[in-house]
Amino acid sequence: ILNVEQSPQSLHVQEGDSTNFTCSFPSSNFYALHWYRWETAKSPEALFVMTLNGDEKKKGRISATLNTKEGYSYLYIKGSQPEDSATYLCAHPSNDYKLSFGAGTTVTVRA
Amino acid sequence: NAGVTQTPKFRILKIGQSMTLQCTQDMNHNYMYWYRQDPGMGLKLIYYSVGAGITDKGEVPNGYNVSRSTTEDFPLRLELAAPSQTSVYFCASSYSDILAKNIQYFGAGTRLSVL
Repeated sequence: ILNVEQSPQSLHVQEGDSTNFTCSFPSSNFYALHWYRWETAKSPEALFVMTLNGDEKKKGRISATLNTKEGYSYLYIKGSQPEDSATYLCAHPSNDYKLSFGAGTTVTVRA
Repeated sequence: NAGVTQTPKFRILKIGQSMTLQCTQDMNHNYMYWYRQDPGMGLKLIYYSVGAGITDKGEVPNGYNVSRSTTEDFPLRLELAAPSQTSVYFCASSYSDILAKNIQYFGAGTRLSVL
């Protein structure tokens, strides 16, 4: 199981502000990088799966970038809204179909 | 289309009791997974299955057993419940996918307390 780290563990953002946070993963034997959004009392839902170095994905106000050579991905939230409050998980698969999840970054957007 | 369905949603067990957490999916996914989520620890893989009749251990399999007799169902069994198994359990599934490039679909979770 690969070591996936996310930072910061939590952050508070004022409504309308933009923010970003990091997922780091081992850069060797890279296959894919998953981002999931997990709202309180709900189940995790996929945001992005990124596979290529330099990949950029966007979904509404949320976007992500990927650097496989240095082993990190950034997730950005532009113009944060209260409905963006959630825990954002990244996950990195090993070569036997298993995902290794980070502990998550919990985002709280204050109105 | 129900997706991934888990039952029960909540359960309280006494130490030493047994129970089965049910998981079923209607997306014809070959790959299914069981995770547990502990505060500040993210999701830890307990067991997974790449198809009916095939299961394998994940990161934290001790105290659990699984079976996969059909494509749809992947139950998780706790034989002798211990307080350390107090957690939230998630079942997930995905399309057949070498190298896990396909997203996983999660159930709503089962909150288990062992007292």
